Amino acid sequence: QKEVEQNSGPLSVPEGAIASLNCTYSDRVSQSFFWYRQYSGKSPELIMSIYSNGDKEDGRFTAQLNKASQYVSLLIRDSQPSDSATYLCAVTIRMVAGGTSYGKLTFGQGTILTVHP
Amino acid sequence: EAQVTQNPRYLITVTGKKLTVTCSQNMNHEYMSWYRQDPGLGLRQIYYSMNVEVTDKGDVPEGYKVSRKEKRNFPLILESPSPNQTSLYFCASRSKGSANYGYTFGSGTRLTVV
Repeated sequence: QKEVEQNSGPLSVPEGAIASLNCTYSDRVSQSFFWYRQYSGKSPELIMSIYSNGDKEDGRFTAQLNKASQYVSLLIRDSQPSDSATYLCAVTIRMVAGGTSYGKLTFGQGTILTVHP
Repeated sequence: EAQVTQNPRYLITVTGKKLTVTCSQNMNHEYMSWYRQDPGLGLRQIYYSMNVEVTDKGDVPEGYKVSRKEKRNFPLILESPSPNQTSLYFCASRSKGSANYGYTFGSGTRLTVV
């Protein structure tokens, strides 16, 4: 089982709709959870972070975390064509190396979102 | 401007010719990491560093070396590149105290090994 899994899509939604992106992770001790957006040919850009169960809202974006189900999601309300991109789920797992703890960031394979006018 | 700078942006090389991809950050971050991105596989960690002279292997370290002699720099070295190392490479950094804020990524280096 992959450490972080996403539906690869592609996911296509009409402009103005809600886009729902899902991610599951395998390690129960995972601590921090992130959603990155990546436009074609560009670097990943952090758009949301969440580390407590429940919802976190930032503008049109809402991240939802359920640690019991090992599930994190991203909702994009009022989707715009400019939201068309690959969305990467990432999870931090606490590691120890050389006596020092470190949060290893592991990514899912990404979900391609297309918002059509 | 706070940023992670990678060079070069694009590189075409031949099998076996040693190369170095440089990465530099100006944010005084302790943590730095190298990822490669391949279609359908997402971002996979190659190596990471928790501070100067402290590095460790990620998920796909074979064929790569790194060094962290200065806090700001974290070069990726391919001693003998092979075609299966053709990929998009990203360097990233974050401060030790910002586990909940994620990494800042460089612009990427697209490497082709022929």
